[in-house]
Amino acid sequence: GAGVSQSPSNKVTEKGKDVELRCDPISGHTALYWYRQRLGQGLEFLIYFQGNSAPDKSGLPSDRFSAERTGESVSTLTIQRTQQEDSAVYLCASSKSDTQYFGPGTRLTVL
Amino acid sequence: QQQVKQSPQSLIVQKGGISIINCAYENTAFDYFPWYQQFPGKGPALLIAIRPDVSEKKEGRFTISFNKSAKQFSLHIMDSQPGDSATYFCAARPTDSWGKLQFGAGTQVVVTP
Repeated sequence: GAGVSQSPSNKVTEKGKDVELRCDPISGHTALYWYRQRLGQGLEFLIYFQGNSAPDKSGLPSDRFSAERTGESVSTLTIQRTQQEDSAVYLCASSKSDTQYFGPGTRLTVL
Repeated sequence: QQQVKQSPQSLIVQKGGISIINCAYENTAFDYFPWYQQFPGKGPALLIAIRPDVSEKKEGRFTISFNKSAKQFSLHIMDSQPGDSATYFCAARPTDSWGKLQFGAGTQVVVTP
């Protein structure tokens, strides 16, 4: 079946603007994760959704970052008042057991 | 704070050689240790994973060795091929935070023909 999809694949924005990134998980996967990957670095956990439980938001770097998920479906990551340090690849993953399946990511560039 | 430390940062190996990547963890109790492979422009993909009750796991040319007492685990790529050129990440899952994989910083492996 289809894997995890993310849109847009690339996003260029100006400092101070808001951006919204979308993730479509694999159908049937109850867990969904967002990570940030800065150039040449590892993955930084942002937020985790599991079924109808309250999300684990402990990795969000500031209150400018928020995420929502509709049931066990689509998730959106919103970054308000973007800063240059927000430039990175934002990766989404989903799982129904141990293995997390990653999407291709959204490359965000803040000018 | 980075709880999973990975080395080396980069590695060049000849075709047919062995690539070895090491990871060490500290403080937190972890119950699952996956390795991910990432090609440029793609998301990471699970390569192989191990649980702490096992000291070694082999899948094809890829082997994880796990040393629980030393809090270290490593990935060995045998008979390295140019198609193995990628960035490899180790990760560890905290026992009390099931969703929060802690990733190492990554190792860029280049296999020369």
